[in-house]
Amino acid sequence: GNSVTQMEGPVTLSEEAFLTINCTYTATGYPSLFWYVQYPGEGLQLLLKATKADDKGSNKGFEATYRKETTSFHLEKGSVQVSDSAVYFCALSGNNNDMRFGAGTRLTVKP
Amino acid sequence: GAGVSQSPSNKVTEKGKDVELRCDPISGHTALYWYRQSLGQGLEFLIYFQGNSAPDKSGLPSDRFSAERTGGSVSTLTIQRTQQEDSAVYLCASSLAHGGASGNTIYFGEGSWLTVV
Repeated sequence: GNSVTQMEGPVTLSEEAFLTINCTYTATGYPSLFWYVQYPGEGLQLLLKATKADDKGSNKGFEATYRKETTSFHLEKGSVQVSDSAVYFCALSGNNNDMRFGAGTRLTVKP
Repeated sequence: GAGVSQSPSNKVTEKGKDVELRCDPISGHTALYWYRQSLGQGLEFLIYFQGNSAPDKSGLPSDRFSAERTGGSVSTLTIQRTQQEDSAVYLCASSLAHGGASGNTIYFGEGSWLTVV
């Protein structure tokens, strides 16, 4: 079945550091890919998404490119801020509209 | 309503009792999902509804867990004979159901925090 594997955390960075959180997927057909974020004390919310190969999703300085050849959707940000501290979830939506999430990666950004 | 609504927001129950958790999805959303998030853990898929039918029940952890959805709207997740390991946040989400290729966003509720003592 469809599944998502993402980099284990926790990840701790200093402010303005470069961030990469790896995500790879296994799916049949042509899934859509997502990154969701859960800030402390809040519910999950969509960060960005991409619906087809080579699409780049972007939001709040974060980017991720849908790479079909490597079945990946790595999340990147050039300069993280303290306010980016959260848990990040990679997710996949398959042809049957099921939604599968990775285990989540906790990011802590220190001033 | 404007968002996905879940109730109760918090529930403390004694081991062995049954609990019901309710989810009211965004109006017009035909797909509904239940997930479980244990402390410090990721999102565990439980069940998915398309309308009133559940094409994927593969995530239900045991036969103590069941879910139903009537009228294509509200869903109830029932846990019978609760155990301490059932303690978690139970998250409901909904989306328009046009298939994965269209990339429909799913929207989450605030969750129901269940504690089994």
